[in-house]
Amino acid sequence: KNQVEQSPQSLIILEGKNCTLQCNYTVSPFSNLRWYKQDTGRGPVSLTIMTFSENTKSNGRYTATLDADTKQSSLHITASQLSDSASYICALNSGAGSYQLTFGKGTKLSVIP
Amino acid sequence: NAGVTQTPKFQVLKTGQSMTLQCAQDMNHEYMSWYRQDPGMGLRLIHYSVGAGITDQGEVPNGYNVSRSTTEDFPLRLLSAAPSQTSVYFCASSYSSRVSTDTQYFGPGTRLTVL
Repeated sequence: KNQVEQSPQSLIILEGKNCTLQCNYTVSPFSNLRWYKQDTGRGPVSLTIMTFSENTKSNGRYTATLDADTKQSSLHITASQLSDSASYICALNSGAGSYQLTFGKGTKLSVIP
Repeated sequence: NAGVTQTPKFQVLKTGQSMTLQCAQDMNHEYMSWYRQDPGMGLRLIHYSVGAGITDQGEVPNGYNVSRSTTEDFPLRLLSAAPSQTSVYFCASSYSSRVSTDTQYFGPGTRLTVL
């Protein structure tokens, strides 16, 4: 069964610090990997989309990396801000023409002053 | 553009009642989908559509119906609500049904409670 595991479940960091969130997957075949940010009570918002041939993609202070050999991805947040407090969700699309994304449970990040 | 809109924001139903969750997008997107999000679980696909008149089942379709008579609208119908359908429901859309790397835009969600 295709699975997406995220760690840690939750994380508290001080404003201005960096952090890294992890995503391990067993989805196969694999077309692309996505990271989303979900604020409390809102819908997910896309941060990055990487194909299996890409190993890094940035969106402002967010940088996603992908290691297809070890089936791991990470999302690095630089110089965190209070507005970064949210859940971060990893999702994989299993193949071209497939519309089914497999989502992880998310990491809940709290940035405190 | 309003993006993806959903109504209602909140709904309480009694077991056995039926209702329709509305979803609309004004971006001329081909692909639309419905997900449910439950505590401690990832988002799960209920139904999706690759264009007007075309729908298909996702991972958890039982108890739900959809139709797509226009490009803009994709309503989700609960036929006979059960407590197990208590969840937050998200509608999403993307421009193309043929490009798997298209960005998916999510609506704000409908929080449904079934008593």
